Amino acid sequence: GIQVEQSPPDLILQEGANSTLRCNFSDSVNNLQWFHQNPWGQLINLFYIPSGTKQNGRLSATTVATERYSLLYISSSQTTDSGVYFCAVETSGTYKYIFGTGTRLKVLA
Amino acid sequence: SAVISQKPSRDICQRGTSLTIQCQVDSQVTMMFWYRQQPGQSLTLIATANQGSEATYESGFVIDKFPISRPNLTFSTLTVSNMSPEDSSIYLCSTRDPGANVLTFGAGSRLTVL
Repeated sequence: GIQVEQSPPDLILQEGANSTLRCNFSDSVNNLQWFHQNPWGQLINLFYIPSGTKQNGRLSATTVATERYSLLYISSSQTTDSGVYFCAVETSGTYKYIFGTGTRLKVLA
Repeated sequence: SAVISQKPSRDICQRGTSLTIQCQVDSQVTMMFWYRQQPGQSLTLIATANQGSEATYESGFVIDKFPISRPNLTFSTLTVSNMSPEDSSIYLCSTRDPGANVLTFGAGSRLTVL
C-alpha cells in the first residue's frame, strides 16, 4: 500500500519563528488533507489540498501531486500551534484516508 | 461540515472486558470510518462502515475483536472485545461529508486497559 512519510518527526520552535512541514507519499493520490491534533487529542482539519496552494491566516499549504509531496507552512508561530500535524491521503478508488507519520511541534514562549 | 459526537470520551477498563463506543453524526452520511491511535503513534484505519452492509476491515483488524454496527445513516458503534493493555488507545470515528472529500473527526474515545 501507499507509504506516507512526514518530516521532521519532531520540531521545537521559539514563538514567532517560521517552519515548514513536509509530507511525502509513494503513490498517486486523489485527495490530501492536513490536520492539527491539539494536546487534548482533537483533530482539526486545516486544509483540503489535493493540488495547488491555499492560505488561511498564518498557515499555508502547497501540494505538488506530480512530485508526490505536500508542504505546510506555519508563520509567526504561537504556543497554541503546539501539537501534532498529520497529512492524510486518499488513493484512487479507495474512499479512505491513510495518515502520515506525523510531525510533533512544540512552540516555546 | 458534519458534527460528530462520540461517547464515552474516556474510560478505564479491566483486562478481558469489552467496551462499546458510540458515534453520532448530526447529518446523514454514507461512509463512516473508525481509526485507532496508539500512544505516540499516527492514526490507523480499523474499518469502513457503510449503512446496510458489513463493515470492511483493514489488514490486521478482525470482526471478532472489533465488531461494528451501522444501523442507520447517522449512527455507528465500535466494540473493543476481550481487551488487553495493548488495546489502550484513542479510538476515533470519522465521516466524509456528503458530496465532499473532506474527512471530519469526532473528539475521540481514550481507552485505558489495566
